[in-house]
Amino acid sequence: AQSVTQLDSQVPVFEEAPVELRCNYSSSVSVYLFWYVQYPNQGLQLLLKYLSGSTLVKGINGFEAEFNKSQTSFHLRKPSVHISDTAEYFCAVSVYNNNDMRFGAGTRLTVKP
Amino acid sequence: DAGVTQSPTHLIKTRGQQVTLRCSPKSGHDTVSWYQQALGQGPQFIFQYYEEEERQRGNFPDRFSGHQFPNYSSELNVNALLLGDSALYLCASSLYANQPQHFGDGTRLSIL
Repeated sequence: AQSVTQLDSQVPVFEEAPVELRCNYSSSVSVYLFWYVQYPNQGLQLLLKYLSGSTLVKGINGFEAEFNKSQTSFHLRKPSVHISDTAEYFCAVSVYNNNDMRFGAGTRLTVKP
Repeated sequence: DAGVTQSPTHLIKTRGQQVTLRCSPKSGHDTVSWYQQALGQGPQFIFQYYEEEERQRGNFPDRFSGHQFPNYSSELNVNALLLGDSALYLCASSLYANQPQHFGDGTRLSIL
């Protein structure tokens, strides 16, 4: 079955600095990949998705991610973060014809002034 | 356009009791999935409903059951509650399986 590993549980960063949140996946078949953000006491909001096509995916709030099949990675990046980006970020993977979406344990991004 | 709505937002139960959580999907969506998110962890897939049938199930015991109604809304039922069932229960909807899912804000279930 597919699985996801988020390599950093916490990432502290200063405002306006760049950030990368790392995600590796494992699957024996082709995958769909997602990044979600969760603010306190809220559900998950989709940031971006890779279903097929271009490996560089742009999402909302200035985030982007690159699908790297050879390294089985889908790292999330933002060139300049804001205080409002402080939240929990989840990487998720699913495969065709399997509705069991697997989530990583999450990365807590804390943006400091 | 209303998104995914869940009720109630918070619930406190005691061990051994039964609970029902409710979800209305985003307008136009026909597929509903349920997830359990324990504190400090990522969501775990419980099951998915489509056309009023359970399409797929994760690794959860039979104490967890569900239902989908003709209007696509859904319920999650948990019997014989255990302390370990304390979690945020998230409902997500999509149009077809494998399409990006839209999540509700969840129901926080606390077991005493």
